[in-house]
Amino acid sequence: NAGVTQTPKFRVLKTGQSMTLLCAQDMNHEYMYWYRQDPGMGLRLIHYSVGEGTTAKGEVPDGYNVSRLKKQNFLLGLESAAPSQTSVYFCASSYNQGFSTEAFFGQGTRLTVV
Amino acid sequence: AQSVTQPDIHITVSEGASLELRCNYSYGATPYLFWYVQSPGQGLQLLLKYFSGDTLVQGIKGFEAEFKRSQSSFNLRKPSVHWSDAAEYFCAVAFYNQGGKLIFGQGTELSVKP
Repeated sequence: NAGVTQTPKFRVLKTGQSMTLLCAQDMNHEYMYWYRQDPGMGLRLIHYSVGEGTTAKGEVPDGYNVSRLKKQNFLLGLESAAPSQTSVYFCASSYNQGFSTEAFFGQGTRLTVV
Repeated sequence: AQSVTQPDIHITVSEGASLELRCNYSYGATPYLFWYVQSPGQGLQLLLKYFSGDTLVQGIKGFEAEFKRSQSSFNLRKPSVHWSDAAEYFCAVAFYNQGGKLIFGQGTELSVKP
């Protein structure tokens, strides 16, 4: 049972390049989330999904897009990377709305934009 | 707006000493409360959670936390710290009318002296 798997684990991008981060969960969870973690700021929610085919904005959605075409996958896209998007990105999933069950986190993706 | 505050950015304790990490939230209603731990280079692991009932909750690794409604606090405690407890600790809250999204504090980094 792999839980929540994020790929890639590390990436360096040049300003203006695009990329997609993949999150996959094998727990049949309905809810999935993308967070970014920056020093001294904790984790901030970028986008989330309450089920296949649905997405919603979180606290810091600008510059990111997401898609949830399959229940088990949640993709985070950067269309034109900026240095301000240098961060560690975490995906999480939960069975329902998160407040009544545990949210499981991936190992993170460390992204550097130069 | 709802917020979560962890007043201590960094705490150092001696091995075997007791520990208390502070967490305060701002919101009118009672939220759902969580403590997560993050070891270096790792994802987040749930230590404990509070939804209702007994205000003193027990978690994994010997941690406990007490919810105090009057103080809007959910402080994490451990009677005797082990060197392996060195990590970053995050308090998080989820609000029923906010889709259960987790809002994180800034984190407290714990160092343990031998």
